[in-house]
Amino acid sequence: KAGVTQTPRYLIKTRGQQVTLSCSPISGHRSVSWYQQTPGQGLQFLFEYFSETQRNKGNFPGRFSGRQFSNSRSEMNVSTLELGDSALYLCASSLQDGTGELFFGEGSRLTVL
Amino acid sequence: GIQVEQSPPDLILQEGANSTLRCNFSDSVNNLQWFHQNPWGQLINLFYIPSGTKQNGRLSATTVATERYSLLYISSSQTTDSGVYFCAVELLRSNTGKLIFGQGTTLQVKP
Repeated sequence: KAGVTQTPRYLIKTRGQQVTLSCSPISGHRSVSWYQQTPGQGLQFLFEYFSETQRNKGNFPGRFSGRQFSNSRSEMNVSTLELGDSALYLCASSLQDGTGELFFGEGSRLTVL
Repeated sequence: GIQVEQSPPDLILQEGANSTLRCNFSDSVNNLQWFHQNPWGQLINLFYIPSGTKQNGRLSATTVATERYSLLYISSSQTTDSGVYFCAVELLRSNTGKLIFGQGTTLQVKP
């Protein structure tokens, strides 16, 4: 059974650009959540989707957005990139409606120059 | 908001030694997971343990929900156990997949 797949794995952008990251959950999982990991702030929750609905959002500016498609795949977008957005972005999926064990992908490492 | 504190922040062991990592949390939770972050950044599931005790090979974990702490035991440590260990919790009645992570314990196992 395939795990959580995130693309791209690595990317470099410049300030002011935008970026879209993709996440394919484990087959049958309907909940997808996103996390940002930085050396200074650690792992922080961005948002969670279930059945194409955003049910919870972390304390991030509106430049961070996401969506979920009918096949449970999810994308997150960061517009007007800032240097501080450089981070490892991790996606997790869960079988149940948000509760239960979360499984993480390998992450997308974003560098903003 | 809920606080998740892990101790110790850093731990250095000789191969073969045993260790205990601790996670304290400040509110009632309905989900608690332990992860090991590999060198490439992926969070590897170790235990899903909102309460009780589980064992998987040389690793075991215990969560005492009423006292708001969890322990991860590593026995006969190996160099491959090196890395960062995270505890993460979800608030009771949250039901939205929002995990709150501790700051992690960085473990180095020396040969």
